[in-house]
Amino acid sequence: EAGVAQSPRYKIIEKRQSVAFWCNPISGHATLYWYQQILGQGPKLLIQFQNNGVVDDSQLPKDRFSAERLKGVDSTLKIQPAKLEDSAVYLCASSLYGQGGLGYNNEQFFGPGTRLTVL
Amino acid sequence: KNQVEQSPQSLIILEGKNCTLQCNYTVSPFSNLRWYKQDTGRGPVSLTIMTFSENTKSNGRYTATLDADTKQSSLHITASQLSDSASYICVVSAGGSYIPTFGRGTSLIVHP
Repeated sequence: EAGVAQSPRYKIIEKRQSVAFWCNPISGHATLYWYQQILGQGPKLLIQFQNNGVVDDSQLPKDRFSAERLKGVDSTLKIQPAKLEDSAVYLCASSLYGQGGLGYNNEQFFGPGTRLTVL
Repeated sequence: KNQVEQSPQSLIILEGKNCTLQCNYTVSPFSNLRWYKQDTGRGPVSLTIMTFSENTKSNGRYTATLDADTKQSSLHITASQLSDSASYICVVSAGGSYIPTFGRGTSLIVHP
């Protein structure tokens, strides 16, 4: 079974530039998550989709971050404009079930992440 | 506010020794608790999952315990190996929405 794919793996940009990350979840997984992981910390949930609807985006800085999941499959996360404090690893994860599903089976499978450096 | 606190922040042990990592949470209502292992440069991988009615779960040399009354969990690693060097993250999901709350993780280094 193929895992969660993310691209690019690494990205270096200057502040105020824009950047986009792409995620392809495991086939058939209803729920997709984007996390921000700053060095030395645990992942912070940015946004959670179930199919193509947003379940939770309370920690997404909406003035600069946006995310979409077209057709309930692939997803993109965009930052515009980037700030120095956005330097982090951006992880994408997917799970078979989500809200209203069997919580015991909501194991999240993570991609390798995209390491963003903002100069 | 839902929170997950882990301790210690970092731990260094010798190969072959045992260790125990701690997780305290205030997530309510409780659905399940997972321990993840995150190798450097990789995404987290699930080790164990426990629901309210389960108080212990093993996966090889990893044993997780859960005390739902005190809202505490521990991850015990037996006979540590160099490959156990990683960050261990406790994640608690809330009932209903299953939105996960992540701890900051414990960084474990196993020395030969």
